[in-house]
Amino acid sequence: DSGVTQTPKHLITATGQRVTLRCSPRSGDLSVYWYQQSLDQGLQFLIQYYNGEERAKGNILERFSAQQFPDLHSELNLSSLELGDSALYFCASSEGVGNQPQHFGDGTRLSIL
Amino acid sequence: DAKTTQPPSMDCAEGRAANLPCNHSTISENEYVYWYRQIHSQGPQYIIHGLKNNETNEMASLIITEDRKSSTLILPHATLRDTAVYYCIVRGLNTNAGKSTFGDGTTLTVKP
Repeated sequence: DSGVTQTPKHLITATGQRVTLRCSPRSGDLSVYWYQQSLDQGLQFLIQYYNGEERAKGNILERFSAQQFPDLHSELNLSSLELGDSALYFCASSEGVGNQPQHFGDGTRLSIL
Repeated sequence: DAKTTQPPSMDCAEGRAANLPCNHSTISENEYVYWYRQIHSQGPQYIIHGLKNNETNEMASLIITEDRKSSTLILPHATLRDTAVYYCIVRGLNTNAGKSTFGDGTTLTVKP
């Protein structure tokens, strides 16, 4: 158990819809990261927050957004969903920024019908 | 961050040591080597990291060559549960962790 909690585990929805994925980091971790893993691609970094502030951005689409709340949990919002958004979405956390191990949750499997 | 090269797949007999190589010939002096693994669509799991000295923890050992251009992750007594994709990542002190790319990794299959 990594200590990182992601909900829901599975999500099935239709094209054009909007969903919210939730992540609770390990106790004491201030950084939260979001990754996307599609069948034909590796782990793609989306975005990182540190103590409520956006810290780094990766290959995140404009239809996607995230935030980190004062209690340090984070949400990833995906809107105008397309079939290609079907993927595993992982959240990870670390104590700070930079050179520290990341601890990953079990992911949310998003299926777009 | 330096790029890493790993073999796409490896087999190992159960109970034997699994030695997973990683080349990182462009590594800089302040860059660390990290290893993670991902077991069948579960979240990646942190294994170990090091700078230049060999490291050991309860999961594995990390051997880094003296010139730091390559490293080997050693699972001393592989079990079937160690079957996974293993990722070698190089990351600098000031590099944002999220910017590390995981690449394709090595698929380790432990056989009975």
